[in-house]
Amino acid sequence: DTGVSQNPRHKITKRGQNVTFRCDPISEHNRLYWYRQTLGQGPEFLTYFQNEAQLEKSRLLSDRFSAERPKGSFSTLEIQRTEQGDSAMYLCASSQGQGEETQYFGPGTRLLVL
Amino acid sequence: QKEVEQDPGPLSVPEGAIVSLNCTYSNSAFQYFMWYRQYSRKGPELLMYTYSSGNKEDGRFTAQVDKSSKYISLFIRDSQPSDSATYLCAPARTGGYQKVTFGTGTKLQVIP
Repeated sequence: DTGVSQNPRHKITKRGQNVTFRCDPISEHNRLYWYRQTLGQGPEFLTYFQNEAQLEKSRLLSDRFSAERPKGSFSTLEIQRTEQGDSAMYLCASSQGQGEETQYFGPGTRLLVL
Repeated sequence: QKEVEQDPGPLSVPEGAIVSLNCTYSNSAFQYFMWYRQYSRKGPELLMYTYSSGNKEDGRFTAQVDKSSKYISLFIRDSQPSDSATYLCAPARTGGYQKVTFGTGTKLQVIP
């Protein structure tokens, strides 16, 4: 399968714990995006990477959130000191860039904070 | 006011019906108009993509954009039970990358 992959698919954690999610984009895609989706809502943009550079962050991305893409390939999203309001589906998408901007989404990581 | 407004549904139709899904937007900077389909507990998948006013057809699906009234539609002909999903209206603007703003999605159920 050469699509976007995300791990884990599901994560249950207790309030106050740290969690980390991983996204592996389509191999030739140099742009990577993280979104958050809550029940009954569309995905909301969190952050964007061009290769290893994080070029934009949404106001939704509080100080407890950090994202990295160290070698311009896979990316991680870490949430520190989780809160119940962080419960959501975290989606990763990638696009080729260079004029081809269609974003392809992964299956998401569903987070439940108890 | 949200930048993108979409009726959340749910919308139930019998198999074979023509489905009309609609969306309005307020930001004139949107230049690209997409529809994503999202099955339950899955990531969104791109269904239709257009960047101009008018119609674009792909099989049973037709996307329609009216930039003057900021109105976006998706029509599904001969709807099938496999079309049951949430349909996300997703206009986008450029600015270094394609900045997509999603609607809330309309949940569609096609009843056999």
